[in-house]
Amino acid sequence: DIQMTQFPASLSASVGDRVSISCRASQTISSYLNWYHQKPGKAPKLLIRAASSLHTGVPSRFSGSGSGTEFTLTINGLQPEDSGTYFCQQTYSDPSYTFGQGTKLEIK
Amino acid sequence: EVQLVQSGAEVKKPGESLRISCKASGYLFNSYIIAWVRQVPGKGLEWMGTVFPGDSTTTYSQSFQGQVTISVDKAVTTAYLQWSNLGASDSGIYYCARRSLPGSTFRGRYGLDVWGQGTTVTVSS
Repeated sequence: DIQMTQFPASLSASVGDRVSISCRASQTISSYLNWYHQKPGKAPKLLIRAASSLHTGVPSRFSGSGSGTEFTLTINGLQPEDSGTYFCQQTYSDPSYTFGQGTKLEIK
Repeated sequence: EVQLVQSGAEVKKPGESLRISCKASGYLFNSYIIAWVRQVPGKGLEWMGTVFPGDSTTTYSQSFQGQVTISVDKAVTTAYLQWSNLGASDSGIYYCARRSLPGSTFRGRYGLDVWGQGTTVTVSS
């Protein structure tokens, strides 16, 4: 299986800040990379697919970049509702489309 | 409205069997892959496998191959995840989710756009 490693494991930031979360794949996955956001007690929600394509309805303050093995999720102008855990997922190597271990974002 | 509604929480004993369900509505059920994902509280997301309702084709990750069975009933637009011999390590929250693009192959530049609310399974003696 392809291993997905996210960093940092957690971070704390203030409303209005710009934050970045990284995701590294153990082998190249082209741009077959998705990002999800999960609030406590809720199902994950798709934010970005194909490394940089914003899913329908997702605010434009979210953006994604990268290809190959290195990827970044950036939030410009952090909002209180952005707290929660962010997961990356590779959809390159079947049959196991592995997730990163998650990055927990706290809003100060 | 496109939605996936999962069956309720379950409490089971080791060795028992279980089937949980994921009822789809609001879209062409046969055309979209359904995936199952496990989450142990406080931990990350684990990919379990998929089913394509159009022809009932299933795939499993290595970790779950032989441990669970994924199936589908097109007549009632419902996907299932079942166990024949539960163990304590099967405890967790199980989500079903839909691949965002229709088609029979999951691999690609598309994610899971609609998720069920999750089913909590607790296995304890």
